[in-house]
Amino acid sequence: EIVMTQSPATLSVSPGERATLSCRASQSVSSNLAWYQQKPGQAPRLLIYGASTRATGIPARFSGSGSGTEFTLTISSLQSEDFAVYYCQQYNNWPPKGTFGQGTKVEIK
Amino acid sequence: EVQLVESGGGLVQPGGSLRLSCAASGFTFSSYEMNWVRQAPGKGLEWVSYISSSGSTIYYADSVKGRFTISRDNAKNSLYLQMNSLRAEDTAVYYCARSGGGYAPFDYWGQGTLVTVSS
Repeated sequence: EIVMTQSPATLSVSPGERATLSCRASQSVSSNLAWYQQKPGQAPRLLIYGASTRATGIPARFSGSGSGTEFTLTISSLQSEDFAVYYCQQYNNWPPKGTFGQGTKVEIK
Repeated sequence: EVQLVESGGGLVQPGGSLRLSCAASGFTFSSYEMNWVRQAPGKGLEWVSYISSSGSTIYYADSVKGRFTISRDNAKNSLYLQMNSLRAEDTAVYYCARSGGGYAPFDYWGQGTLVTVSS
């Protein structure tokens, strides 16, 4: 089973600054990597799929990169609505269908 | 507009059973694979079960295998999760989530339904 490891666990960032989140897979997942955003009391929302493709309606300040085992989600200029928990998910090797990382919480500095 | 609406959650005693439902609308339900994902209080996301568009292929997480059963009724645009022999560690918000065929992320999620297993 592939293990997804996200870092850091918590990221403290000031509004307007850049945030860089990392996700590492224990073996190659090609580009079959997604990022989700989850706010308190809400369901996760798909942000990025295919490692770098923004989902419908996702602002351009969100970008994804990487392939194989190393991936990055970058939020170029944090807005107040971006403070949330972010999860990566691989969907290359399954079952289990869609292994998630443990999440990175982006909080206000 | 794609909508997924879960129902059926609640408080149940250890060893008990519960059946969750997910009502789908706004898309051709029979063309999509579906999943259940859960989130324990204050914890991360855990995939629970998958069912193919026709219902012919099913997978479970090891943590629920033998206790949970996923099913779907394409005529009713509905997804189900029958949960038996419930344990305290099954306490979580349960989400249904849609995925496309092959290599595809979970592109739409329901709002979730809370299952609490406690005496």
